[in-house]
Amino acid sequence: EIVMTQSPATLSVSPGERATLSCRASQSVSSNLAWYQQKPGQAPRLLIYGASTRATGIPARFSGSGSGTEFTLTISSLQSEDFAVYYCQQYNNWPTFGQGTKVEIK
Amino acid sequence: QVQLVQSGAEVKKPGASVKVSCKASGYTFTSYYMHWVRQAPGQGLEWMGIINPSGGSTSYAQKFQGRVTMTRDTSTSTVYMELSSLRSEDTAVYYCAMAHIGGVATIMNAFDIWGQGTMVTVSS
Repeated sequence: EIVMTQSPATLSVSPGERATLSCRASQSVSSNLAWYQQKPGQAPRLLIYGASTRATGIPARFSGSGSGTEFTLTISSLQSEDFAVYYCQQYNNWPTFGQGTKVEIK
Repeated sequence: QVQLVQSGAEVKKPGASVKVSCKASGYTFTSYYMHWVRQAPGQGLEWMGIINPSGGSTSYAQKFQGRVTMTRDTSTSTVYMELSSLRSEDTAVYYCAMAHIGGVATIMNAFDIWGQGTMVTVSS
């Protein structure tokens, strides 16, 4: 099983600031990496797939980068609706998820 | 539009079984694989397995082997996930999810379509 490790566990950011979230895979997953946003009581929402492609309707302030084992999700200027938990997921093999990064208001 | 609608919340006793349904609409049911993912309270996401609605073939995460069964009914465009020998650690929200990105059917891809989730509570 491919283990996904996210850091940090919690990120405190002020609105308008930049947020950078990291995800590391225990072995190469090529570019088969997705990012999701989840708010309380809701299903996850796909933000990024293929490591860097924004899903339909996702604002341009969300961007993804990386390949192999190291990946990054960047939110360029945090809006109030962006405070949530973010998960990375690899799908190079049977899917596995990171443990999540909570982005909270500073 | 593509939509997955799941059955309602369940409360079960330890040792019992639960069967959760996921009704699909807005696309050709047999063309896209369906996955199940669960999330314990305050915890992360955990993949449980996959079913091919076309032929009914399945593959399960090792953790759930022997306890989970995924089936489908093509006449109603519904997939089912049954989990047996329930224990308190199985208390979670269970989601069906699928990859429908660009209308391309692949066994492995990101999940752009999710059901609303079904809360299963296991308690004596």
